[in-house]
Amino acid sequence: EAGVAQSPRYKIIEKRQSVAFWCNPISGHATLYWYQQILGQGPKLLIQFQNNGVVDDSQLPKDRFSAERLKGVDSTLKIQPAKLEDSAVYLCASSVGSRYNEQFFGPGTRLTVL
Amino acid sequence: SQELEQSPQSLIVQEGKNLTINCTSSKTLYGLYWYKQKYGEGLIFLMMLQKGGEEKSHEKITAKLDEKKQQSSLHITASQPSHAGIYLCGADTGAGSYQLTFGKGTKLSVIP
Repeated sequence: EAGVAQSPRYKIIEKRQSVAFWCNPISGHATLYWYQQILGQGPKLLIQFQNNGVVDDSQLPKDRFSAERLKGVDSTLKIQPAKLEDSAVYLCASSVGSRYNEQFFGPGTRLTVL
Repeated sequence: SQELEQSPQSLIVQEGKNLTINCTSSKTLYGLYWYKQKYGEGLIFLMMLQKGGEEKSHEKITAKLDEKKQQSSLHITASQPSHAGIYLCGADTGAGSYQLTFGKGTKLSVIP
């Protein structure tokens, strides 16, 4: 079974530029999560999708971050414009979407904003 | 909101030694997940506990959830260099949306 795929693995941009990350979840997983992990911290949930609908985006900085999950499969997370404090690892995870089922994580995208 | 505190923040042990990592929650735990993360990589699922008093083992790693369901421990027996990494506990927030809140992690180094 293929795992969660993310691209790119690394990205370096200058502040005020735009960047987009892509995630392909495990086939059949209804729920998809985007997390932000700042160095030395645990992952923080940014947005959760159930199929192609948003369940929770309360911690997503909506003035600069946006995310979509078209057709309930792949998802993209965009930052526009980026700030220095956005430097972090962005993790995508998926699950079957029921209690007591683990989330499967992708390898993450390491973003450096200069 | 639920907060998870992990201790210690970092740990350096000699190969072959036993160690314990703790995760304490500010609220009742509905489901407690342990993950391992290698530097710069994604999280690898280790174990999930849901019932008070529950204990699970996989190879040399044992996780327990206390009876009151507000604390969990992860114990590694006879540590090996392959155990090195960051251990994260994540808690089901209980809000019905299957979200996890994570602790800050415990960095484990194993010296050969």
